[in-house]
Amino acid sequence: KNEVEQSPQNLTAQEGEFITINCSYSVGISALHWLQQHPGGGIVSLFMLSSGKKKHGRLIATINIQEKHSSLHITASHPRDSAVYICAASLAPGNQFYFGTGTSLTVIP
Amino acid sequence: NAGVTQTPKFQVLKTGQSMTLQCAQDMNHEYMSWYRQDPGMGLRLIHYSVGAGITDQGEVPNGYNVSRSTTEDFPLRLLSAAPSQTSVYFCASSYSINTEAFFGQGTRLTVV
Repeated sequence: KNEVEQSPQNLTAQEGEFITINCSYSVGISALHWLQQHPGGGIVSLFMLSSGKKKHGRLIATINIQEKHSSLHITASHPRDSAVYICAASLAPGNQFYFGTGTSLTVIP
Repeated sequence: NAGVTQTPKFQVLKTGQSMTLQCAQDMNHEYMSWYRQDPGMGLRLIHYSVGAGITDQGEVPNGYNVSRSTTEDFPLRLLSAAPSQTSVYFCASSYSINTEAFFGQGTRLTVV
């Protein structure tokens, strides 16, 4: 069973487009995380959310606890945003993560 | 601060061999965990630890052992490598619940 579902799996956008990636979860979570992974690279934390909305530059993440749903938005997308974006739920007791399968984003100039 | 350091970065093993993947962090984090990443499966939890001397199993623990004798180190042992353990392995650490996690750069393991 997959307790964290993410969509879409693949996404191609033109530079400048507004992008949305969705995540839903079915478990009781401590927090919801958005991560970024470049090809062949490591994993970097973008956001950690337990409620509401957070913004870093052109990236915005929101979470609706009642609906068990989170979204990651990228405004004015750029080719350097091309990466895999991963949604993950962290649970007690060990802050261990359960991951979505990732969204592979390609932004075309 | 080096963050989370994994060694080696690449490894090729023969079926039946044993090895230890190393993970060390210098941030005084209590929480550490191991994941494997496979195409089409995403990342899956192998084992995790909430502090020195305390470990527990995740989703896919079979074939792997862990121990946590110090806060800094959380090694992952493959007892008898199998081709099904070919994967990219990531170690992560965090200060506590509801805090950001820091990931190592990964170890790419191939078992032939």
